[in-house]
Amino acid sequence: GQNIDQPTEMTATEGAIVQINCTYQTSGFNGLFWYQQHAGEAPTFLSYNVLDGLEEKGRFSSFLSRSKGYSYLLLKELQMKDSASYLCATHSGNTPLVFGKGTRLSVIA
Amino acid sequence: ETGVTQTPRHLVMGMTNKKSLKCEQHLGHNAMYWYKQSAKKPLELMFVYSLEERVENNSVPSRFSPECPNSSHLFLHLHTLQPEDSALYLCASSQGGTIYSYNEQFFGPGTRLTVL
Repeated sequence: GQNIDQPTEMTATEGAIVQINCTYQTSGFNGLFWYQQHAGEAPTFLSYNVLDGLEEKGRFSSFLSRSKGYSYLLLKELQMKDSASYLCATHSGNTPLVFGKGTRLSVIA
Repeated sequence: ETGVTQTPRHLVMGMTNKKSLKCEQHLGHNAMYWYKQSAKKPLELMFVYSLEERVENNSVPSRFSPECPNSSHLFLHLHTLQPEDSALYLCASSQGGTIYSYNEQFFGPGTRLTVL
């Protein structure tokens, strides 16, 4: 079975750091995606983690612990344009992508 | 622009109408997807086409019918829909050998569907 859990909403201040968590129970787990979706727009790819550890890409980093079924997306030096929904999705060998409900992040001045 | 286009962007239809959503990808990908996105619910995969193989989510009602005439075009035919089918319908494409490939999916802007 597949189950993904992430917080519904978060608020953070411009210039700060925010961590968005995602926990999952996914049989046959292969890897985990993070997507960003601005209101009224299509989701866009941020990262894909297969191995344990932290992967950094500019202001965004993504972490995975396969043994704990846990991932987080770390956003540094927050900007107003980072206000969006962040979708966690797992990939397994026997099902297409399964998405979580998404975390709506609001960045305030 | 992600290289995936969808038309129409907005659609309002009655429960007795028949309409079709269109998706086209210009990325040379070989897999295409239909997703449904409702408020406060996860993005829900409806159908996948890859290398002429098709997978469907068994929970999708038969009033939704996909068609994939080639690797660049995908349609979703709608008939006798219900108000609860109102949602954002997203198309995506990826480059992968099978429907289970992990390759990054590129999404279109979606069609906002309202069923009256």
